[in-house]
Amino acid sequence: EAGVAQSPRYKIIEKRQSVAFWCNPISGHATLYWYQQILGQGPKLLIQFQNNGVVDDSQLPKDRFSAERLKGVDSTLKIQPAKLEDSAVYLCASSLGWAPTYEQYFGPGTRLTVT
Amino acid sequence: ILNVEQSPQSLHVQEGDSTNFTCSFPSSNFYALHWYRWETAKSPEALFVMTLNGDEKKKGRISATLNTKEGYSYLYIKGSQPEDSATYLCAFPEEAAGNKLTFGGGTRVLVKP
Repeated sequence: EAGVAQSPRYKIIEKRQSVAFWCNPISGHATLYWYQQILGQGPKLLIQFQNNGVVDDSQLPKDRFSAERLKGVDSTLKIQPAKLEDSAVYLCASSLGWAPTYEQYFGPGTRLTVT
Repeated sequence: ILNVEQSPQSLHVQEGDSTNFTCSFPSSNFYALHWYRWETAKSPEALFVMTLNGDEKKKGRISATLNTKEGYSYLYIKGSQPEDSATYLCAFPEEAAGNKLTFGGGTRVLVKP
């Protein structure tokens, strides 16, 4: 079974530039998550999709971050414009369902550096 | 915002030694507790999803226990090996539906040969 795919793996941009990350979840997984992990902290949920609908985006900075899930499969996360504090690892995860007992499967993440 | 704490933040272990570390979480409204292992340059990997008070789960040399009444879980590594070097994260679902996880800050384990 193929895992969660993410690209790119690394990205360096200057502040005020825009950037986009892509995620392809495990086939058949209805729930998709984007997390932000800042160095020294645990991952923080940015947005959760169930199929192609948003379940929770309460911690997404909507003035600069946007996300979509195309046809309930792939997803993109965009930052525009980027700030220095956006430097982090962005993780995508997917799960079969959205009950608390479902384990989440993570991709390798995209390490973003904003200079 | 839920408070999920892990201690210690990091620890060094000699190869062959056993070790353990803690995750504390709110003791009210318990739904489940997740443990993940995150090795450098790899994807975080699920170790356990624990649901019942007194639950004990095991995977190879790694095991975990759960006390939902007092709000803590221990992760044990028996006979640590260099390949056990990783950050171990616990995560607590905030609600009965949605699987919105609040993660602790992690315990970074370095096993020295």
